[in-house]
Amino acid sequence: EAGVVQSPRYKIIEKKQPVAFWCNPISGHNTLYWYRQNLGQGPELLIRYENEEAVDDSQLPKDRFSAERLKGVDSTLKIQPAELGDSAVYLCASSGGSGNIQYFGAGTRLSVL
Amino acid sequence: DAKTTQPPSMDCAEGRAANLPCNHSTISGNEYVYWYRQIHSQGPQYIIHGLKNNETNEMASLIITEDRKSSTLILPHATLRDTAVYYCIVGNTDKLIFGTGTRLQVFP
Repeated sequence: EAGVVQSPRYKIIEKKQPVAFWCNPISGHNTLYWYRQNLGQGPELLIRYENEEAVDDSQLPKDRFSAERLKGVDSTLKIQPAELGDSAVYLCASSGGSGNIQYFGAGTRLSVL
Repeated sequence: DAKTTQPPSMDCAEGRAANLPCNHSTISGNEYVYWYRQIHSQGPQYIIHGLKNNETNEMASLIITEDRKSSTLILPHATLRDTAVYYCIVGNTDKLIFGTGTRLQVFP
């Protein structure tokens, strides 16, 4: 069974440019999460989806960040415009099925120059 | 949400058992204890979780004290590939709050 797939794995952009990250969750998982992980820290939740509905976006900086999960399957996280402080690893996770455990993708490492 | 306290780092000899402690004195009655690990440049990997009883799977064992205020993750025979940051989290699957974890270094 395929795990959570994220792309790209790495992204380097200049500040003020837009950037987007893509996530495909484990098949059948209704819940999808986006996290941000700063260097030396644990992941922090940005947004949680139940199917196509964002049920917890309290930690998403809404002035520059947006996310969508149009058909309740894959999801896109966007930053526009990017700032130097957005440099981090962006992780996607999904849960569902037996035990309802969160499983993570490998992440996208963003460097903003 | 309950918070956890873990030592920042630990060492373990290859082949020996690694015992990683976690304190969670403010855990609520319906909150689970989860353990994840993160190997360099990878996403967090689920290891094990439990509510009250001790749990064991192919990766590790989880020992939860009777008062549920602390737990220990046991890797019975550590290998070099177990070198990672180990996160102890209390909560429910929809709300995992990660701390800074324990950096476990397994040495030959």
